[in-house]
Amino acid sequence: GESVGLHLPTLSVQEGDNSIINCAYSNSASDYFIWYKQESGKGPQFIIDIRSNMDKRQGQRVTVLLNKTVKHLSLQIAATQPGDSAVYFCAENTGNTPLVFGKGTRLSVIA
Amino acid sequence: DAGVIQSPRHEVTEMGQEVTLRCKPISGHNSLFWYRQTMMRGLELLIYFNNNVPIDDSGMPEDRFSAKMPNASFSTLKIQPSEPRDSAVYFCASSLQYTTEAFFGQGTRLTVV
Repeated sequence: GESVGLHLPTLSVQEGDNSIINCAYSNSASDYFIWYKQESGKGPQFIIDIRSNMDKRQGQRVTVLLNKTVKHLSLQIAATQPGDSAVYFCAENTGNTPLVFGKGTRLSVIA
Repeated sequence: DAGVIQSPRHEVTEMGQEVTLRCKPISGHNSLFWYRQTMMRGLELLIYFNNNVPIDDSGMPEDRFSAKMPNASFSTLKIQPSEPRDSAVYFCASSLQYTTEAFFGQGTRLTVV
């Protein structure tokens, strides 16, 4: 049946713990992936990206892992802080298409 | 750089009225995107331009929606006539190329009553 609304999966973590947000993609031709963070009332903001010739990339407190075999992307946030509370989107594209966004995961940090 | 600038931030209009949303992309970016975000459908790509030329408008929901990019520093998204189901947050984004990282504006929250 038709969905009556977009129920975002929610991840609740304790402040200081590590967070892992997962994303499954369907297009095996996708070769570029981005994680975006969207805080309430703001536009999505770039966090980190990865190309398909890599399986891991690290930033400041964030790590993106790519498993092309199972078409899975994850975002790991170390020592999660209250300011990390937001909706996180994965986005993908091939070499000649614009970004396609996933549905998003809401991260809630418990102080 | 000030980033992608959208105006207005909020718009409330009556059903049947024309609505025009405006966007100034980041200087030097060649691609511009219009997205719509709703609770029902998430973030949807409506249309995107490359070098001021519309490349794909297949995401535009109906003929009531139109978008223009008269120059590299300005784009508009127009809805005429507006309907309550058009209520959403509309985002403009720009990027160096349409296949790379997109930078988003703050969005325009549209409410059609």
